[in-house]
Amino acid sequence: SQQGEEDPQALSIQEGENATMNCSYKTSINNLQWYRQNSGRGLVHLILIRSNEREKHSGRLRVTLDTSKKSSSLLITASRAADTASYFCATVSSASKIIFGSGTRLSIRP
Amino acid sequence: GAGVSQSPSNKVTEKGKDVELRCDPISGHTALYWYRQRLGQGLEFLIYFQGNSAPDKSGLPSDRFSAERTGESVSTLTIQRTQQEDSAVYLCASSLVLASYEQYFGPGTRLTVT
Repeated sequence: SQQGEEDPQALSIQEGENATMNCSYKTSINNLQWYRQNSGRGLVHLILIRSNEREKHSGRLRVTLDTSKKSSSLLITASRAADTASYFCATVSSASKIIFGSGTRLSIRP
Repeated sequence: GAGVSQSPSNKVTEKGKDVELRCDPISGHTALYWYRQRLGQGLEFLIYFQGNSAPDKSGLPSDRFSAERTGESVSTLTIQRTQQEDSAVYLCASSLVLASYEQYFGPGTRLTVT
């Protein structure tokens, strides 16, 4: 199975609500990255958190990393219709091996 | 500046034919990755190039798949004797040095094998 497993697989929320997605992984990492994908094409990098960091913010995004539990979460606050997309976590090992999870499909209801 | 480009954007081919997919990374990016994404699925790592080092081919699913990269520029992914199971979007990404940095993705090539 994939190194990174996102949870939930699909999430539907009302516009304005917060969305939380989780990612769990199995082996040690150098960093963990979150990406967004619209319409099944190219991915867009959202945020990178290093293994020695616990929390990072970027605009409406907040990422946490718990290396003891081998898990990360992505929080999108005050969601908008444009946030509808698939979100993927990607773990990067010290050997630069990168593994993507299966993704969370987020739908924002107007 | 220009981002990662891929060509063709769509490719329909008959089972058994060979296909070649192209990726032009961002200038100056030494790391280049190829991924495969089946419909509704996550990304499958295929191969990774880093500068002049030997590529990491550990993700290539069979010997029908191969990839080359000329220096730190264009890369081509070749699939020989295509099978219907090869139908997917093939994504290329580049990053400045290593995967410690963010990856910039191209729009992908949608391959359909009939």
